[in-house]
Amino acid sequence: QKEVEQNSGPLSVPEGAIASLNCTYSDRGSQSFFWYRQYSGKSPELIMFIYSNGDKEDGRFTAQLNKASQYVSLLIRDSQPSDSATYLCAVMDSNYQLIWGAGTKLIIKP
Amino acid sequence: GAVVSQHPSWVICKSGTSVKIECRSLDFQATTMFWYRQFPKQSLMLMATSNEGSKATYEQGVEKDKFLINHASLTLSTLTVTSAHPEDSSFYICSARRGRGNQPQHFGDGTRLSIL
Repeated sequence: QKEVEQNSGPLSVPEGAIASLNCTYSDRGSQSFFWYRQYSGKSPELIMFIYSNGDKEDGRFTAQLNKASQYVSLLIRDSQPSDSATYLCAVMDSNYQLIWGAGTKLIIKP
Repeated sequence: GAVVSQHPSWVICKSGTSVKIECRSLDFQATTMFWYRQFPKQSLMLMATSNEGSKATYEQGVEKDKFLINHASLTLSTLTVTSAHPEDSSFYICSARRGRGNQPQHFGDGTRLSIL
């Protein structure tokens, strides 16, 4: 069974520091990788997506993909209390099915 | 771009009532829409995938006769929870995907359904 694994957390990071969220996946043929943020009681919001190996930056967010090692990560620079949320990793497998991780709860401490 | 509107945002109704939830893509054509359910402090659970003009594909364990999905146009999908019971109370969220393949899903704000 195809899986996407995330540490459930909570991951506690001081304000202003870099938060690093990791995700591993089992299907080596996976093609597309997505990071969503979900605040408590709200629906998921797309943060970033990445298709190719390497880094992709958007403002304070950087997605990193390493297909050989089958992991994708999300870095948040200059973390703010408003970044406190659950971060969901989603991976589109070789059959175009989206497999969701269970999410990592991130807490940014002022 | 990629705005998805979901309505209503909150429903409270009596057991046995049928409830209809609408999901609209406002600024793009959504070939595929998805319906999820999420219980408190649990993960997203995909209920069904719907493609415009064809029957929805339901995930294992989801009753197709209870959760009726219609995707009549490229911008509108509806989920009807028929004869709802308290155990159907949950947070229902739709998402829409532009085109096919590897495009991201964009989510509506969700509908919180409470059955008394």
